Amino acid sequence: AQKITQTQPGMFVQEKEAVTLDCTYDTSDQSYGLFWYKQPSSGEMIFLIYQGSYDEQNATEGRYSLNFQKARKSANLVISASQLGDSAMYFCATSRMNTGFQKLVFGTGTRLLVSP
Amino acid sequence: NAGVTQTPKFQVLKTGQSMTLQCAQDMNHNSMYWYRQDPGMGLRLIYYSASEGTTDKGEVPNGYNVSRLNKREFSLRLESAAPSQTSVYFCASSRQGSGNQPQHFGDGTRLSIL
Repeated sequence: AQKITQTQPGMFVQEKEAVTLDCTYDTSDQSYGLFWYKQPSSGEMIFLIYQGSYDEQNATEGRYSLNFQKARKSANLVISASQLGDSAMYFCATSRMNTGFQKLVFGTGTRLLVSP
Repeated sequence: NAGVTQTPKFQVLKTGQSMTLQCAQDMNHNSMYWYRQDPGMGLRLIYYSASEGTTDKGEVPNGYNVSRLNKREFSLRLESAAPSQTSVYFCASSRQGSGNQPQHFGDGTRLSIL
């Protein structure tokens, strides 16, 4: 079984600063994917970034990067130069790979508040 | 650019009533999913459809049924609603691939059962 742990219920950051949201995972699969989603107060789920377990480079998407440490089973999301619009819930998720589809397992989320 | 469309957006039911949540996607995706989100928890998979014509149970399937009507549509049915099924329900879809395709979510249905 797969499990995602997000230990930070809430995080505060000032605008323009960088912030790291923690995610650790537990899986017995050799091939797996790690995903981060953002959920603003309006409620929709927005895909941010993906990392495959065999990817050697850390994934980056604009201001988002994923700090992947396989030996430690961690997949932390780094947001550089925070903006007020980054205030939201952030969910880490994992899925077994090579099945043609995903059965995502989500963590409980971290609420990020960006202050001016 | 509709993406994934869920109807209705809000619904209040009485215990024992039945209801079908509708979901349609216009991205030609093969796989579709239903999740529920409860306060303080992440999303949990109820049912999924890897491709048209197939459906399978997820983590929390009890009390629900699904129908993959065609490639575009995937409905979730509550046959006899219970207060424990009060939740926000999300439908999602993804392209078939090696499993690295991100899921695209609808805006959710807020369901309250009294």
